Amino acid sequence: DVKVTQSSRYLVKRTGEKVFLECVQDMDHENMFWYRQDPGLGLRLIYFSYDVKMKEKGDIPEGYSVSREKKERFSLILESASTNQTSMYLCASSFGGRNTGELFFGEGSRLTVL
Amino acid sequence: KQEVTQIPAALSVPEGENLVLNCSFTDSAIYNLQWFRQDPGKGLTSLLLIQSSQREQTSGRLNASLDKSSGRSTLYIAASQPGDSATYLCAVSRLGGFKTIFGAGTRLFVKA
Repeated sequence: DVKVTQSSRYLVKRTGEKVFLECVQDMDHENMFWYRQDPGLGLRLIYFSYDVKMKEKGDIPEGYSVSREKKERFSLILESASTNQTSMYLCASSFGGRNTGELFFGEGSRLTVL
Repeated sequence: KQEVTQIPAALSVPEGENLVLNCSFTDSAIYNLQWFRQDPGKGLTSLLLIQSSQREQTSGRLNASLDKSSGRSTLYIAASQPGDSATYLCAVSRLGGFKTIFGAGTRLFVKA
């Protein structure tokens, strides 16, 4: 079974803190994605990566950065957390190529910024 | 621009009923369509993936169909159970790209 593991299920941070969300997949997938999910807004793509050290902006990259130093690990970084970044963050992975194959998601990380 | 719509937004049915969830999309140039289940506070669990060249996929009590020309997919759940209560999302991946567009979901409640 494909497993996508997000390191933290629940985090509470203060405004201005630097936040790291980690995601690891064990299926040798080339593609990895970070989404956020908010009531009424659905899932929105923040960043994705199609190879090690390669990244592309999604629909809402402002206030976020990412890192992919190893194929299995994709990190989302909030340089200076703000209250409007309170959300559920979902990591996903899929096989590579120029199309998105079947997506597999992690359990999600619920971030609260006070 | 691809838009994905799911109807109904919420559905409540008695246990044992067969039901259909609907998903429509505006751009037929898709690579695949995927149905997911999401329990409250959890991530998305993949249920069925239909490639653009396929018409349907089945897994247990679930059957998903795809009609690309009309921009529609349905998820059929047979003999519903209380454990099927969850939000069901459909997602469409664009041909030649990394973008996947998600519907807002149908919240299903199966009453015992």
